[in-house]
Amino acid sequence: DAKTTQPPSMDCAEGRAANLPCNHSTISGNEYVYWYRQIHSQGPQYIIHGLKNNETNEMASLIITEDRKSSTLILPHATLRDTAVYYCIVRAPTLKNTGNQFYFGTGTSLTVIP
Amino acid sequence: DGGITQSPKYLFRKEGQNVTLSCEQNLNHDAMYWYRQDPGQGLRLIYYSQIVNDFQKGDIAEGYSVSREKKESFPLTVTSAQKNPTAFYLCASGSGLFVNEQFFGPGTRLTVL
Repeated sequence: DAKTTQPPSMDCAEGRAANLPCNHSTISGNEYVYWYRQIHSQGPQYIIHGLKNNETNEMASLIITEDRKSSTLILPHATLRDTAVYYCIVRAPTLKNTGNQFYFGTGTSLTVIP
Repeated sequence: DGGITQSPKYLFRKEGQNVTLSCEQNLNHDAMYWYRQDPGQGLRLIYYSQIVNDFQKGDIAEGYSVSREKKESFPLTVTSAQKNPTAFYLCASGSGLFVNEQFFGPGTRLTVL
């Protein structure tokens, strides 16, 4: 699976949009981009995923560049409860017994400031 | 309510003892996973199982063992062979052919004294 690069930390003012970048320059054509977040001492939570089109759900929007080498997760109106570590994962879904893992890196620690 | 449960939340053991961490899900998911997380680090995959009675090693399986006798249960045993067992352990499950979304339990923090 392709590696991803994320900034180690970011701050965002409460009520403003939080834009979290992710670089995945070696992404393959069949690999999806996934975002998860982990609030301190809890299990990660799925946010969103996409292949090449922009995606939006009740939690966030995912913007993937046309060349698919980078993406941005957007939290439109950040709240204090959005303070967490955000993981960008690139993965090719597969039926094989191996290679079906999600590889979590160190992510971006987002702090929402009052 | 459907979900994944891990028990206990905090666990203390003496060095040299084996310990088994529980993971149960009632989501009817085929796939289940065990991860380990150390302070300030991401998650690393220990073992995963895509179907009952079958499981695969992840990236850091040494010193751990699992079983998958029932769809709902995927216990992890941390053996005395694991050199640095103190960590936060997370269990997850997923459904569908490609498992696009993993659902995580609350985790068990294991401390070996």
